[in-house]
Amino acid sequence: EVQLVESGGGLVKPGGSLRLSCAASGFTFSSYSMNWVRQAPGKGLEWVSSISSSSSYIYYADSVKGRFTISRDNAKNSLYLQMNSLRAEDTAVYYCACRIAAAEVYWGQGTLVTVSS
Amino acid sequence: QSALTQPASVSGSPGQSITISCTGTSSDVGGYNYVSWYQQHPGKAPKLMIYDVSNRPSGVSNRFSGSKSGNTASLTISGLQAEDEADYYCSSYTSSSTLEVFGGGTKLTVL
Repeated sequence: EVQLVESGGGLVKPGGSLRLSCAASGFTFSSYSMNWVRQAPGKGLEWVSSISSSSSYIYYADSVKGRFTISRDNAKNSLYLQMNSLRAEDTAVYYCACRIAAAEVYWGQGTLVTVSS
Repeated sequence: QSALTQPASVSGSPGQSITISCTGTSSDVGGYNYVSWYQQHPGKAPKLMIYDVSNRPSGVSNRFSGSKSGNTASLTISGLQAEDEADYYCSSYTSSSTLEVFGGGTKLTVL
């Protein structure tokens, strides 16, 4: 069974940093691209970042470019999102997600990041 | 990058059909057959309902169907049921410097 479990969310002050993690199991993690998607309270989904299986290709939404860094450790079956210079508008539930096949997309349960003084 | 455009809300009575539109550009919806639709109930993670414009994953009811014309994709739900009440999001591959773009979401109310 595919499982994605996010962790690392919490309350942080504007300008602060936070590192999110996503532990993957139930599939060959090293073979698939991984994604971070966020959802601000009461708002829609926003794609944040993607990383290819070998970390060769990395993409970011314009809203986080230069502040967030996506990475992965295939030996640990883990995905990360380093978030720096956090702003109030970064407050959201952050999901990690993976498309294993065209018809198979898996999501974690999400971790809440709150940026507030 | 701009989000794909969806109506904020739609509604229908049980048994009726509704259609949700998703309008993008030739750089995303219109240029590729990589449009997906997700259903999200409150407090839950999104669930894939349609992929590659018109394909249903195993286990998704055939009451859900997808199509595309030009830069606009559509999700149709026929025979509305109370359990269909949820938020629906489209997404598409994009050739911009980013990789994927979502629609703003549509709240479906079953009257």
